[in-house]
Amino acid sequence: AQSVTQLDSQVPVFEEAPVELRCNYSSSVSVYLFWYVQYPNQGLQLLLKYLSGSTLVKGINGFEAEFNKSQTSFHLRKPSVHISDTAEYFCAHTSGTYKYIFGTGTRLKVLA
Amino acid sequence: DAGITQSPRHKVTETGTPVTLRCHQTENHRYMYWYRQDPGHGLRLIHYSYGVKDTDKGEVSDGYSVSRSKTEDFLLTLESATSSQTSVYFCAILLAGSDTQYFGPGTRLTVL
Repeated sequence: AQSVTQLDSQVPVFEEAPVELRCNYSSSVSVYLFWYVQYPNQGLQLLLKYLSGSTLVKGINGFEAEFNKSQTSFHLRKPSVHISDTAEYFCAHTSGTYKYIFGTGTRLKVLA
Repeated sequence: DAGITQSPRHKVTETGTPVTLRCHQTENHRYMYWYRQDPGHGLRLIHYSYGVKDTDKGEVSDGYSVSRSKTEDFLLTLESATSSQTSVYFCAILLAGSDTQYFGPGTRLTVL
């Protein structure tokens, strides 16, 4: 069965510091991966996605993620975070079956 | 926002009462989904639909039923609400050709 693991439930980081949010997925033949962001009391917004092609994917708000097939990972990174990046981040995976599996989320808290 | 609305946005009900949540889309998307979001669990799929009258179960379907009598509406029914169904419920559509889900604003349901 598909699974997505987000190893860190909470990540505190100081403003302007770099951050990495980790995501590992269960291996499958087809791999489509997504990162979503949820600001307090809001719905989920797509940050970026990997469907095929370049393993480095750039998204909105300066975020990027790298697909690593050998490590079955899709970690999200930002070189310099802002207070406004404080939110919950979800990694998701589908193998093309139209069912999507989400991780349990990582709360990013940016400190002044 | 992919033209997705959810109603009601907030609801408080009592144990044992029936509850129906509505997801409405305006762009004729074929696939629609219902998820619940709970702390520590991320998003979990309840049911999804791949066309009018075509639905399938997700990982947490017990206690829920769905109906889709027309393309634009996907209804989620709790036949007899329980306190364990207190949650935030999100509807999503799948954007054809992109393998990407877009989410509605959510419904916060409290079962007392």
